[in-house]
Amino acid sequence: AQKVTQAQTEISVVEKEDVTLDCVYETRDTTYYLFWYKQPPSGELVFLIRRNSFDEQNEISGRYSWNFQKSTSSFNFTITASQVVDSAVYFCALSEGGSNYKLTFGKGTLLTVNP
Amino acid sequence: NAGVTQTPKFQVLKTGQSMTLQCAQDMNHEYMSWYRQDPGMGLRLIHYSVGAGITDQGEVPNGYNVSRSTTEDFPLRLLSAAPSQTSVYFCASSPTSLLVPEQYFGPGTRLTVT
Repeated sequence: AQKVTQAQTEISVVEKEDVTLDCVYETRDTTYYLFWYKQPPSGELVFLIRRNSFDEQNEISGRYSWNFQKSTSSFNFTITASQVVDSAVYFCALSEGGSNYKLTFGKGTLLTVNP
Repeated sequence: NAGVTQTPKFQVLKTGQSMTLQCAQDMNHEYMSWYRQDPGMGLRLIHYSVGAGITDQGEVPNGYNVSRSTTEDFPLRLLSAAPSQTSVYFCASSPTSLLVPEQYFGPGTRLTVT
């Protein structure tokens, strides 16, 4: 069975600090996708990134970066110079068999960025 | 495009009542899914469909029925609501092409069963 673990339930930082959200996954599939979603206080789910199991390159998008390491089954997410608008629940998710439609989510990390 | 729409946004039911949560998408996506979100639990897959006429169970299917008669619609039925079904329900859709990376989520339906 697949499993996604986000060990950090809540993180609180002060604006402009860097913060890393951890994600560890378990799967027997050799082809899979990893995702990060953001859920702001308004409740909608905002897609951030998808990474496939064959691409271990790190990715950077503005203040966001992702570190994928198959050796440790981790897909960590770093926000550089955090801002109050980054306050949200962040979910890591894993898809089965390389699909886009059957996601296993972690329990989420609540990030609070204080001014 | 309206994307993925869900109705109603809020609903209160009494134990034993039945209701249908509606989900529609106008992107011609083959894949559609229902998730529930409970505090501290993340999102869990209830049912999913890979096309009209084809549905299958996810992680937490008990107490829910689905059908998919058209590509656009994927309703979720609660036959006899229970307090344990109090949750926020999200519908999602995605195309068959893996070139499109994301599942598109609806805004959610907050259901309370008393």
